[in-house]
Amino acid sequence: QVQLKETGPGLVQPTQTLSITCTVSGFSLTSYYMQWVRQTPGKGLEWMGFIRSGGSTEYNSEFKSRLSISRDTSKNQVFLKMNSLKTEDTGVYYCARESLGAWDYWGQGVMVTVSS
Amino acid sequence: DIQMTQSPASLSASLGETVTIECRASEDIYNGLAWYQQKPGKSPQLLIYNANSLHTGVPSRFSGSGSGTQYSLKINSLQSEDVASYFCQQYYDYPDTFGAGTKLELK
Repeated sequence: QVQLKETGPGLVQPTQTLSITCTVSGFSLTSYYMQWVRQTPGKGLEWMGFIRSGGSTEYNSEFKSRLSISRDTSKNQVFLKMNSLKTEDTGVYYCARESLGAWDYWGQGVMVTVSS
Repeated sequence: DIQMTQSPASLSASLGETVTIECRASEDIYNGLAWYQQKPGKSPQLLIYNANSLHTGVPSRFSGSGSGTQYSLKINSLQSEDVASYFCQQYYDYPDTFGAGTKLELK
């Protein structure tokens, strides 16, 4: 069955880089777009970016200068990297599979706290 | 970006009641709308896509309707397991944007 699971650090220091891995099973990354979204108390659900089935990417302009999304199809993994973290980046980060627009499967999320 | 205005922000209803949650888009989104349910401590789960299509495995008491800029999610015969937050999402135009959510509680 379709599964997605995010793994990443729970605590990151301000100005440091956040790295999260989304490991998927039950489908191929070459057949679906993969989305990243975060949920924060201040802004709710905030779209961050996606990687297309073909491997190209799009980013929310709010993050564009410090966000990178990539993948390793051989390992069924999608990666999010965001640098220059601030305390406002504290929140839960999710990967999700997009199917014809809607996001039909989501990972469990990873809580990230940005604090010194 | 398309703005999604969701109402109400919170809602209290009794078991067996019918509840309706609404989302208004800042421009026509041509039925490019999904509804998600999120229980505390869990990730959002897809309920409805294309404004009115029920996702696989979702109980038939959930339904979506609307067109243009106005959309709604209806829950018939409210069950205890429906206590959750609900979000709308437009995916008609890039970037995808979400409503602020509706927290549904039991009265």
